[in-house]
Amino acid sequence: GENVEQHPSTLSVQEGDSAVIKCTYSDSASNYFPWYKQELGKRPQLIIDIRSNVGEKKDQRIAVTLNKTAKHFSLHITETQPEDSAVYFCAASMTGYALNFGKGTSLLVTP
Amino acid sequence: EAGVAQSPRYKIIEKRQSVAFWCNPISGHATLYWYQQILGQGPKLLIQFQNNGVVDDSQLPKDRFSAERLKGVDSTLKIQPAKLEDSAVYLCASSLGRTGRVTEAFFGQGTRLTVV
Repeated sequence: GENVEQHPSTLSVQEGDSAVIKCTYSDSASNYFPWYKQELGKRPQLIIDIRSNVGEKKDQRIAVTLNKTAKHFSLHITETQPEDSAVYFCAASMTGYALNFGKGTSLLVTP
Repeated sequence: EAGVAQSPRYKIIEKRQSVAFWCNPISGHATLYWYQQILGQGPKLLIQFQNNGVVDDSQLPKDRFSAERLKGVDSTLKIQPAKLEDSAVYLCASSLGRTGRVTEAFFGQGTRLTVV
């Protein structure tokens, strides 16, 4: 089955700096790569996703890049703010199947 | 649009007891998932339904876990008997499940289970 590796497990940045989280996946058939943000005690919420026919996608301060050849994708958050502090999960799936999640990255943005 | 509803929010049981969780997906969503999230880890799929049929239950510990989705809407997940290692948050999620296209999965608030 699909195996998703995520790094780093913890990340601490100063407010205003950029944060980058990286994931790799094992199944070349995977074609959908979402990123979820989970605040303490709350549900995971989708923040951005990318499909395999696209190499990059941006939404305001958040961007995701995908390298299908290398089977890795990354989340980039620019101009970080304290409210960006949360656990971020990457996931991978193929059409018709469930998401396989990474182990998560705990991001702390300090003022 | 109403979100994915789950109940109860919290449950504490003793080991070897049984417990059941309920999920009501977003209206019109054909696909329903149950995930187990152990503290400090990512969600792990237990079972995926498409309407009322099972798509994937390969990671469901079938000797103690069972799930059903009667009439293709609500779903229940049961654990009997519970073990200490079942302590986790049980997340239900749903998606439109359009044929030929992966669609966004929406998560419920989860049920936090503590087995003592």
